[in-house]
Amino acid sequence: DGGITQSPKYLFRKEGQNVTLSCEQNLNHDAMYWYRQDPGQGLRLIYYSQIVNDFQKGDIAEGYSVSREKKESFPLTVTSAQKNPTAFYLCASSSWAGGTEAFFGQGTRLTVV
Amino acid sequence: DAKTTQPTSMDCAEGRAANLPCNHSTISGNEYVYWYRQIHSQGPQYIIHGLKNNETNEMASLIITEDRKSSTLILPHATLRDTAVYYCIVISAGHTGGTSYGKLTFGQGTILTVHP
Repeated sequence: DGGITQSPKYLFRKEGQNVTLSCEQNLNHDAMYWYRQDPGQGLRLIYYSQIVNDFQKGDIAEGYSVSREKKESFPLTVTSAQKNPTAFYLCASSSWAGGTEAFFGQGTRLTVV
Repeated sequence: DAKTTQPTSMDCAEGRAANLPCNHSTISGNEYVYWYRQIHSQGPQYIIHGLKNNETNEMASLIITEDRKSSTLILPHATLRDTAVYYCIVISAGHTGGTSYGKLTFGQGTILTVHP
């Protein structure tokens, strides 16, 4: 089945450790996105990539890093520089061709203790 | 990027139509209006999108004003399962080597509560 997959669903890390969240899609989409969501809040854009080997900062990129070495993969690293990393992280992808929609993964809930 | 304004919350009785407004007064000519909804702790679900004309699918209808500065999402017969946060977003064009894709930015959304 085609879709977008985030793993793991729940992730626990100690403070000061870097952690990488996985996002894979087999929809042949060019564009991919990472969002952060805090309780009771909307989605805030962290990074996005419109094409392989290229990505741009979103609204809250500080303390995060990404790579886009393959079309189907867009991993997000939460670094120790991120002051408040505990949150729900969502990944999305889209082709945007002809105004098509974006598809979202089911999210990764990161808890830093 | 065009920004959107939505009411923070709305209520609707089960079986009645839910009409969710969205203001996007700075929208430009090549920007689409998209609607998504999010049920607690899940990824957002696509509902519908449009450019100029009104649109309808199996989930909802989208009414876009002639000047495109606002739109309304209509759930014709709301059910309890439609209780969710509804996001209205506008896709702005980015540029990468001449190819345009959207920078997908969300606002706070509208919390729709459908009650029996």
